[in-house]
Amino acid sequence: EPEVTQTPSHQVTQMGQEVILRCVPISNHLYFYWYRQILGQKVEFLVSFYNNEISEKSEIFDDQFSVERPDGSNFTLKIRSTKLEDSAMYFCASGGDDYGYTFGSGTRLTVV
Amino acid sequence: AQSVTQLDSQVPVFEEAPVELRCNYSSSVSVYLFWYVQYPNQGLQLLLKYLSGSTLVKSINGFEAEFNKSQTSFHLRKPSVHISDTAEYFCAASRGNRDDKIIFGKGTRLHILP
Repeated sequence: EPEVTQTPSHQVTQMGQEVILRCVPISNHLYFYWYRQILGQKVEFLVSFYNNEISEKSEIFDDQFSVERPDGSNFTLKIRSTKLEDSAMYFCASGGDDYGYTFGSGTRLTVV
Repeated sequence: AQSVTQLDSQVPVFEEAPVELRCNYSSSVSVYLFWYVQYPNQGLQLLLKYLSGSTLVKSINGFEAEFNKSQTSFHLRKPSVHISDTAEYFCAASRGNRDDKIIFGKGTRLHILP
């Protein structure tokens, strides 16, 4: 069963530091997404990415956030200057023609 | 705007009893519907999805959901739950274009009682 891989599984960072969360989507998928889940809350959409550009972004995805697909296989989410409220589980997802939206296991980001 | 409502934040049920987790959606356009399951300390796994065709969709582990357009619902059911079904269940919807985002409900925690 193909899967979406996210690294690291857990990252602790100091407030104000930059973090990069990494994802390897399923190889033949074309649509990529980042979501986040603050502890105990719902899963929230951050951004979708297709054809090397952002398709849609939520109001959460402000100038502190950016996404990149640097080498055709990885899909990264960068947070430039982390805040305490960025602490959450971040999920990467990829989608193909079957509308399957496969999610990774997530990266738990803790900002201290 | 599209939204997904899961009215029950927690559902306790005895082992081997039936369960229904409720989900309603609001959308003025055609919609694709999903149920995802999140086991403790794990990621989101697709349980089942409705895209088109038969309104009753089933998963490999005994869950089923029925798309009801007139009631804008997509309730999840299982006739007999097992302790291993303990998890958080998220209903979700998408407008159906391939690059559209999924909107999630707040989730329902299924708590199986021995």
